[in-house]
Amino acid sequence: DGGITQSPKYLFRKEGQNVTLSCEQNLNHDAMYWYRQDPGQGLRLIYYSQIVNDFQKGDIAEGYSVSREKKESFPLTVTSAQKNPTAFYLCASSIGMTSGGTDTQYFGPGTRLTVL
Amino acid sequence: AQKVTQAQTEISVVEKEDVTLDCVYETRDTTYYLFWYKQPPSGELVFLIRRNSFDEQNEISGRYSWNFQKSTSSFNFTITASQVVDSAVYFCALSEARLVVFGKGTKLTVNP
Repeated sequence: DGGITQSPKYLFRKEGQNVTLSCEQNLNHDAMYWYRQDPGQGLRLIYYSQIVNDFQKGDIAEGYSVSREKKESFPLTVTSAQKNPTAFYLCASSIGMTSGGTDTQYFGPGTRLTVL
Repeated sequence: AQKVTQAQTEISVVEKEDVTLDCVYETRDTTYYLFWYKQPPSGELVFLIRRNSFDEQNEISGRYSWNFQKSTSSFNFTITASQVVDSAVYFCALSEARLVVFGKGTKLTVNP
């Protein structure tokens, strides 16, 4: 089945540690995205990538880093510089990013990160 | 700057009731897209509908219907004869230039 996978589903981290969240898609989509969701809030864009080896900062990129070495994969690293990393993280992908408005984004199941 | 407002934070209904979720958006562009997503307790966002700014026809899909009115900048979502499985958080979203802005969501609880 085609889709987006994220692992792990739950992640616990000690303060001061970096942690990497995995996102893989087999939809052959060019664009991929990372969002952060806090309780009672909408989704906020962390990073996005339109194509392999290229990515752009979103609204809340500070304390996060990404890479896009393969079309299928877009891992997100939450660094120790992120002051409040406890949140639900969602990865998404879309066919592309057109100038007239983005294609539909499809989401993975999410990773819930808790900092102890 | 684009903005999406979902004024209803939480709605609670009894099964079989009809319920409408409101979405009001702000944009300066004439070309844009509107979306609705469902987020069940499992957490994954499920795509429901995508509508472009040039298509104001209402859409119906089973028990779901959407009312798009450019004159009031609204894109409301109605569930007819609600069921317990409809309980979820519903997000409205707007895209005008490649990126998508999400509203804060409306939590719908359907009680048996």
